[in-house]
Amino acid sequence: GENVEQHPSTLSVQEGDSAVIKCTYSDSASNYFPWYKQELGKGPQLIIDIRSNVGEKKDQRIAVTLNKTAKHFSLHITETQPEDSAVYFCAASNQAGTALIFGKGTTLSVSS
Amino acid sequence: GAGVSQSPSNKVTEKGKDVELRCDPISGHTALYWYRQSLGQGLEFLIYFQGNSAPDKSGLPSDRFSAERTGGSVSTLTIQRTQQEDSAVYLCASSQTRGLDAFFGQGTRLTVV
Repeated sequence: GENVEQHPSTLSVQEGDSAVIKCTYSDSASNYFPWYKQELGKGPQLIIDIRSNVGEKKDQRIAVTLNKTAKHFSLHITETQPEDSAVYFCAASNQAGTALIFGKGTTLSVSS
Repeated sequence: GAGVSQSPSNKVTEKGKDVELRCDPISGHTALYWYRQSLGQGLEFLIYFQGNSAPDKSGLPSDRFSAERTGGSVSTLTIQRTQQEDSAVYLCASSQTRGLDAFFGQGTRLTVV
């Protein structure tokens, strides 16, 4: 089945710097790749997603890139702010399209 | 409602007891998922419902776990004879289209003592 690897597990940056989180997936049939942000005590919140027919997508300070050949995708956050501090999860759809398979998460800390 | 609603938000139960967790999806969403998140871990898929189709139960860890979705809306996840390793946050999500744009509730934190 699908397996999603995410790294780094923790990331500390200074306010204003950029942050990059990378994920790889194993199932070439995966065609949907969302990113979620989870703050303490809350459920994951969808922040951006990309489908397999697109190589890059941007939404203000957040962008996601997808390399289908290499089977990896990345989250880029520019001009980081303290409120960006959270756990970020990448995910990939399973072959049946019935579930999202999640990475283990990256704890991002933005210090001011 | 405006979002996915789960109840209770916290549940403490004794080992061996049964528990029921409830999920109210976003109105009009046909797909509903249950996930489990253990401390410091990612999200583990449990079960998926899509309309009137047979659910995908491939993620349920044992036969002590079951779920149902009545009338295509509210879902309950039942754990029988709870064990300490069942302690986790149980998250429910719903989406308009299968596998896409899943919106999560805040979860139920289950503690088995």
